Amino acid sequence: EAGVTQFPSHSVIEKGQTVTLRCDPISGHDNLYWYRRVMGKEIKFLLHFVKESKQDESGMPNNRFLAERTGGTYSTLKVQPAELEDSGVYFCASSQGPLGQGQETQYFGPGTRLLVL
Amino acid sequence: QKEVEQDPGPLSVPEGAIVSLNCTYSNSAFQYFMWYRQYSRKGPELLMYTYSSGNKEDGRFTAQVDKSSKYISLFIRDSQPSDSATYLCAMKRPSSGSARQLTFGSGTQLTVLP
Repeated sequence: EAGVTQFPSHSVIEKGQTVTLRCDPISGHDNLYWYRRVMGKEIKFLLHFVKESKQDESGMPNNRFLAERTGGTYSTLKVQPAELEDSGVYFCASSQGPLGQGQETQYFGPGTRLLVL
Repeated sequence: QKEVEQDPGPLSVPEGAIVSLNCTYSNSAFQYFMWYRQYSRKGPELLMYTYSSGNKEDGRFTAQVDKSSKYISLFIRDSQPSDSATYLCAMKRPSSGSARQLTFGSGTQLTVLP
């Protein structure tokens, strides 16, 4: 079974440009999460989809970030316009959802390394 | 103050050593505790998952949670060079409502020397 895939693996853009990151979750996983790790910091939550609906977007830093999950399958995260502080590694994770006592395993993709110059 | 504190290391040990990694946290609402392993240029991979307090063992790995002290640990016995990676602790509140996200520590970089 394929894991979580992300595209592109790397992206280098100039400040002010637009970048779109894509995540393909594990097949059958209704839950999709975006996280980000900026240099020297911990991985931080951005938002959570359940199928095509945004369940929690409390971690989105500002309105330059737009996430979509049309049809409840893959998701895109667009940054427009990109700023220097957006540089970092963007991870996507997916899960089937809480089981039993609420155990929920989130499976992570390899990440997209974004560098804004 | 960060919700989860983790010593970033780096930590270097000889092969066969017992490794102890730990995290402290401030939010008493956390009920689920995880350890992820991340190899260079890869995504985090779940190693251990513990609910509430107690110990859990899986092969050479043991996870401990002490909720009274807000302290979690991961022990690696008979460490191997293949264990060289960054270890991330992560925590989660009960899966009610919308709060399903993981809160991570900053990660500890471990090197096991052959």
